[in-house]
Amino acid sequence: GESVGLHLPTLSVQEGDNSIINCAYSNSASDYFIWYKQESGKGPQFIIDIRSNMDKRQGQRVTVLLNKTVKHLSLQIAATQPGDSAVYFCAETYNNAGNMLTFGGGTRLMVKP
Amino acid sequence: DAGVTQSPTHLIKTRGQQVTLRCSPKSGHDTVSWYQQALGQGPQFIFQYYEEEERQRGNFPDRFSGHQFPNYSSELNVNALLLGDSALYLCASSRRTGGTNEKLFFGSGTQLSVL
Repeated sequence: GESVGLHLPTLSVQEGDNSIINCAYSNSASDYFIWYKQESGKGPQFIIDIRSNMDKRQGQRVTVLLNKTVKHLSLQIAATQPGDSAVYFCAETYNNAGNMLTFGGGTRLMVKP
Repeated sequence: DAGVTQSPTHLIKTRGQQVTLRCSPKSGHDTVSWYQQALGQGPQFIFQYYEEEERQRGNFPDRFSGHQFPNYSSELNVNALLLGDSALYLCASSRRTGGTNEKLFFGSGTQLSVL
């Protein structure tokens, strides 16, 4: 079946640098995308979401970009901090699926002090 | 305001046994979803409960069943446990408005180990 995937399994960045985590999706019917952060021993924590009628959405230090033409999603974290170290997942769904999210495999972000 | 709470946090079972996991949704939420997360992978949708009925189901066998109570809390039952059922089981809650669900809030999960 169709699923969401990620390009890089591990990303290592220097504290203070910007981070970019990428995600490819294949279900053209998906119209809602979410980025989650998961720390060790915890459940996924909502970071930011975007609907398919937008191509960019900004939050506090985070920006999500959506390119529907190439079915690509990215999460940008500005001024990465040690507390940002975690596994990041993108997830997709479509309106009729309610909260049946399809998750990618995750990218581990490691922030070096 | 408590978030999504799950119990127990850890559980060890042997093959063939049965297990029940419990979840209390975030206050004000009426919909509960269950996900299975194998080590190093993203969560996979098991099923969703709303108004005490299973509304959607992912690609999981009938050994996985659930229940939702009038207070919106939920249980996940797994029968005839297999080694491959070892995983982190996540509960997520949301509020349904106008036929659609608002964003999910996840609990910290129950880590199930099958020996």
